[in-house]
Amino acid sequence: DVKVTQSSRYLVKRTGEKVFLECVQDMDHENMFWYRQDPGLGLRLIYFSYDVKMKEKGDIPEGYSVSREKKERFSLILESASTNQTSMYLCASSFGNSYEQYFGPGTRLTVT
Amino acid sequence: GDSVTQMEGPVTLSEEAFLTINCTYTATGYPSLFWYVQYPGEGLQLLLKATKADDKGSNKGFEATYRKETTSFHLEKGSVQVSDSAVYFCALSRGGGSNYKLTFGKGTLLTVNP
Repeated sequence: DVKVTQSSRYLVKRTGEKVFLECVQDMDHENMFWYRQDPGLGLRLIYFSYDVKMKEKGDIPEGYSVSREKKERFSLILESASTNQTSMYLCASSFGNSYEQYFGPGTRLTVT
Repeated sequence: GDSVTQMEGPVTLSEEAFLTINCTYTATGYPSLFWYVQYPGEGLQLLLKATKADDKGSNKGFEATYRKETTSFHLEKGSVQVSDSAVYFCALSRGGGSNYKLTFGKGTLLTVNP
């Protein structure tokens, strides 16, 4: 079975802190994605990567950056966390030419 | 740009009732269409998909037919169970190169009561 793991299920951070969210997949997938999920807004794509060291902005990249140094790992970075970044963050991965994405369980981040 | 519109929730049904969750889309070309499901406390998982017009996706008793003429992909199940309680997301992908990303609807919360 494909497994996508995220470093934390729940995280509480202070405003202004630098926050790292880690995602690891074990299926040698080329593509990896970071979404945020908010009530009434559904899932919105923050960033995605289709190869090591490659990244593309999604629909809402402001306030975020990403890093992909190894194929299996995709990190989301909040340089200076703000309260409006309180959300559920979901990581996903897929094969290079496949539409099917496999999701991790999510990290619920609260910024106070 | 691409967009997906699905019916607002929440939807509350009794066990064995018939379920329909409407989904329509806007996209250029010929997108692939998906339904994902998110059970409480979990990430999303693919429920079914259809990659061309008139295709019917099916899984676990759920069905959806890709209707290009009405740009729709409505989810149906003939008899829901309590275990079907979840959030359902309709999504599309236009595929190709870096466009294998998904565009999601806002999700529909389904609650099935015994």
